[in-house]
Amino acid sequence: GQQVMQIPQYQHVQEGEDFTTYCNSSTTLSNIQWYKQRPGGHPVFLIQLVKSGEVKKQKRLTFQFGEAKKNSSLHITATQTTDVGTYYCAERRRSSNTGKLIFGQGTTLQVKP
Amino acid sequence: DTGVSQNPRHKITKRGQNVTFRCDPISEHNRLYWYRQTLGQGPEFLTYFQNEAQLEKSRLLSDRFSAERPKGSFSTLEIQRTEQGDSAMYLCASSLGRTGTYEQYFGPGTRLTVT
Repeated sequence: GQQVMQIPQYQHVQEGEDFTTYCNSSTTLSNIQWYKQRPGGHPVFLIQLVKSGEVKKQKRLTFQFGEAKKNSSLHITATQTTDVGTYYCAERRRSSNTGKLIFGQGTTLQVKP
Repeated sequence: DTGVSQNPRHKITKRGQNVTFRCDPISEHNRLYWYRQTLGQGPEFLTYFQNEAQLEKSRLLSDRFSAERPKGSFSTLEIQRTEQGDSAMYLCASSLGRTGTYEQYFGPGTRLTVT
């Protein structure tokens, strides 16, 4: 089964409010990738985090990797209706040398205009 | 269009029938993955190809499932004797696999409905 847990499962916000989704693991993660899937669409890569404590920003999106590499978060500042979709964290497994992704359950974001 | 393509986009079949899906990855990508996604869940890994070699199969991939990538380019996923539990979105993804560039590019998926 999936070993990466995401919370919350759903989040409804008013446009302009902030949004955060959290990704947690009981074991140390090799790395974390974040993907966005729009309704009816397919996952689209956002970013990869590899280093302990790493923080990366993309415009209104801020991604963090925990110091212990057991958790990660995605924060969106001042949400817009274009942010609607499901955000997934995924660990790229190095152990099997295939690079397969183990996805969390996702957080679905709804933005009210 | 230089993205990952999948055909068909939708497939409705009766239980017990065989179905085959096709994935055309981005041309220079040597790594190809199949995932399955059910409603409300994240994609689950099914199998992985590096060039034409199938290097890993998930336990989710029962003996009714077979995948090929004969020339290291396109790939096919066949499901024999389909069951209602096979209803899902089947996603294909490809990546270049060089150090530091492991992002996966997903295709639009094939939605399978087994009646």
